[in-house]
Amino acid sequence: DGGITQSPKYLFRKEGQNVTLSCEQNLNHDAMYWYRQDPGQGLRLIYYSQIVNDFQKGDIAEGYSVSREKKESFPLTVTSAQKNPTAFYLCASNRGGGAKNQPQHFGDGTRLSIL
Amino acid sequence: AQSVAQPEDQVNVAEGNPLTVKCTYSVSGNPYLFWYVQYPNRGLQFLLKYITGDNLVKGSYGFEAEFNKSQTSFHLKKPSALVSDSALYFCAVRDGKSGGYNKLIFGAGTRLAVHP
Repeated sequence: DGGITQSPKYLFRKEGQNVTLSCEQNLNHDAMYWYRQDPGQGLRLIYYSQIVNDFQKGDIAEGYSVSREKKESFPLTVTSAQKNPTAFYLCASNRGGGAKNQPQHFGDGTRLSIL
Repeated sequence: AQSVAQPEDQVNVAEGNPLTVKCTYSVSGNPYLFWYVQYPNRGLQFLLKYITGDNLVKGSYGFEAEFNKSQTSFHLKKPSALVSDSALYFCAVRDGKSGGYNKLIFGAGTRLAVHP
């Protein structure tokens, strides 16, 4: 079955450490997105990518970085500059481009905590 | 500014009763509206969308939503609630300024609790 796989499910970060969250999709979608979910705040967009080797900052990009070297993969790095990284991180994808009515498909998330 | 509001943090309903989860929006251009559901420690699942056409949209699991342009609302409804419908529900609107991207603006979410 096609879908989005996020790993690991749980991740712990030590102070001063960078950590990378994996997101892989086999839906042949062009667009991919990273969101941060905090209790009572809904989802906030971190980064998004329309095509390979292109990505744009979302609303809360500071302290995060991404790459898009392959269509299927959109890893997110939480750097030591992100002072409050504890959250639930969700990756999503959709066809993108001119398909304005296409819903986003989500992975099952990675929960990041500080040690 | 473009935004989505879900005015209720939590909605409580008895099993078998109808349910409504409210959503209002503010967006430039034509609204593309979505409802998602999230179960604990899971990602969001798409329920339904409004793009154009009939104001009553039918979706997955017996849910439907009513688009009201004059009230800028897109309330989620179900005629008869199930205990298994208990979850977190998100309303979202496509960012009208996202150009060729399909950026979504999400509401803060409404927790639905269906009691036996």
